Amino acid sequence: DTGVSQNPRHKITKRGQNVTFRCDPISEHNRLYWYRQTLGQGPEFLTYFQNEAQLEKSRLLSDRFSAERPKGSFSTLEIQRTEQGDSAMYLCASSVAGTGNSPLHFGNGTRLTVT
Amino acid sequence: AQSVTQPDIHITVSEGASLELRCNYSYGATPYLFWYVQSPGQGLQLLLKYFSGDTLVQGIKGFEAEFKRSQSSFNLRKPSVHWSDAAEYFCAVGFSGGYNKLIFGAGTRLAVHP
Repeated sequence: DTGVSQNPRHKITKRGQNVTFRCDPISEHNRLYWYRQTLGQGPEFLTYFQNEAQLEKSRLLSDRFSAERPKGSFSTLEIQRTEQGDSAMYLCASSVAGTGNSPLHFGNGTRLTVT
Repeated sequence: AQSVTQPDIHITVSEGASLELRCNYSYGATPYLFWYVQSPGQGLQLLLKYFSGDTLVQGIKGFEAEFKRSQSSFNLRKPSVHWSDAAEYFCAVGFSGGYNKLIFGAGTRLAVHP
């Protein structure tokens, strides 16, 4: 169990640029989640994959945001035409599908700063 | 709508003192309940979880939490705090019959005085 890995750890970009983040979940986990955390707040759910299928998207996920998990392994989150309000920590988590709620295992996040 | 409330934004305790962090949730059925801890610049680490059964659950690092259905609460406790416990603590609720779309509280930042 190498844990959930996120890259990059930090990203500074200028407003209007596109950015892409990557998440590698724990290898046997078939569920993958993206959350956003702003300063002083708890994480907010953005989207969820089971294998390669994106099964739910929060209304927080505007049309500038897109997430993919093409082979049911790693996932990418892309933000197009970034805005200053997109500055946040983007957290990825993974879990095992099964009965009940298996706990989410979080990565260390990607901190995005939009200048 | 489902929600989680952590009434205390900041708490300061002395090392060796006891600790209780409050968490209240709003949900029509029995939820799945979690406490996570986050150190600065890091992701979230699971401390403990409640799914069913015994309402007093033990977690890692000497933490425990008690589910009280009548109060819709899931407070986190530790009998003797260590300086390394200084961090932010998040309560989260998940929902039966679904996947793990957790709803998090806003967090409680814990400071520990020597």
